Amino acid sequence: EIVLTQSPGTLSLSPGERATLSCRASQSVSSNYLAWYQQKPGPPPRLLIYGASSRATGIPDRFSGSGSGTDFTLTISRLEPEDFAVYYCQQYGRSPRTFGQGTKLEIK
Amino acid sequence: QVQLVQSGAEVKKPGASVKVSCKASGYTFSSYAVHWVRQAPGQRPEWMGWNNAGNGNTKYSQEFQGRVTMAGDASASTAYMELSSLRSEDMAVYYCAISTASTLGAFDIWGQGTMVTVSS
Repeated sequence: EIVLTQSPGTLSLSPGERATLSCRASQSVSSNYLAWYQQKPGPPPRLLIYGASSRATGIPDRFSGSGSGTDFTLTISRLEPEDFAVYYCQQYGRSPRTFGQGTKLEIK
Repeated sequence: QVQLVQSGAEVKKPGASVKVSCKASGYTFSSYAVHWVRQAPGQRPEWMGWNNAGNGNTKYSQEFQGRVTMAGDASASTAYMELSSLRSEDMAVYYCAISTASTLGAFDIWGQGTMVTVSS
């Protein structure tokens, strides 16, 4: 099973700042089948990025994904108040599909 | 629009089984496999497996093999997930999710979730 490790566990930033979230895989993620989700208390996760760098429908361009192989990054260029949430990475190239433990993005 | 609507919250005793349904609308049900993901309080999501009602194929995570059954009824556009021999660790929100053609396997549509409580 591919283990995904996210860092940092918690990120404290202010609106307008830039956020950089990391996801490291224990093995290479095939075909860059790596996704990022945002989750707020209550609703299910919301897809932000798929294929490591493609934005899902309706996702603002301040969200961007990069990386390949075992190292991936989600960048939020200028934080808006609604961006403070928990972010998960997920690999879907190999079964079982696995999720990282999450990064909590909180207001400083 | 594409939508997945799940059945309501369940309370079960240890050792019992639970069956959660997921009704699809806005697309041809058999076009996409329905995946099931659960999330215990404060924990990361955990993928359980998928069922494709179009071809009858199913794949389960080893973690749940032998305890989970996933199926789909194309005539009702509804997917089902049944988990047996429930224990306290199974207490979680259970989601159904699909990946439409545009997202290459990532889950872009989710159900609202079904809370399963396991308590004696």
